[in-house]
Amino acid sequence: DSGVTQTPKHLITATGQRVTLRCSPRSGDLSVYWYQQSLDQGLQFLIQYYNGEERAKGNILERFSAQQFPDLHSELNLSSLELGDSALYFCASSVVGSGRDGYTFGSGTRLTVV
Amino acid sequence: EDQVTQSPEALRLQEGESSSLNCSYTVSGLRGLFWYRQDPGKGPEFLFTLYSAGEEKEKERLKATLTKKESFLHITAPKPEDSATYLCAVGRTGTASKLTFGTGTRLQVTL
Repeated sequence: DSGVTQTPKHLITATGQRVTLRCSPRSGDLSVYWYQQSLDQGLQFLIQYYNGEERAKGNILERFSAQQFPDLHSELNLSSLELGDSALYFCASSVVGSGRDGYTFGSGTRLTVV
Repeated sequence: EDQVTQSPEALRLQEGESSSLNCSYTVSGLRGLFWYRQDPGKGPEFLFTLYSAGEEKEKERLKATLTKKESFLHITAPKPEDSATYLCAVGRTGTASKLTFGTGTRLQVTL
């Protein structure tokens, strides 16, 4: 157990639907990162939050949004889902936002869009 | 744009057969080079961070080294439990904490 908790572990939904993925960071970590891992593209950075504020943004689609709450847990919202959104979605956390040291990943949410 | 290329894509070794995995990178201003291990269906597990050329780090049968253009992950006398996908990533100065990952090397160690 890495200390980063992601729910749900698996999600199957239909095209056009909206889902919410949840992440609880490791105790004491202020920064949360979201990554998407698909078979053909590897791990792609989506977005980072630090202590409730957006810190950095990657190639995140406009249909996707995220937030970090006062208790530091984070949610990734995916809407108008397409078949191509099927992937593993990972959350990671670190103590500070500098990223100088490696961060800790959760076990991921496997999203299947049918 | 930052780029990370890992080779080989897949590697099959017999137990005890040492080898190296390669990570070539292009980044303007290296903040750090990171190695992770990922088991099937699980999240990446942090192994090492290297910050400057010439730096080396070791952990059990793994040793990571760094030059200005590439990093190597040396695996000495591997065991079947070392089977996993090994991911390399780079962070660039001035880009907060974003890491750019390679697509990984799938290592299988057989008896």
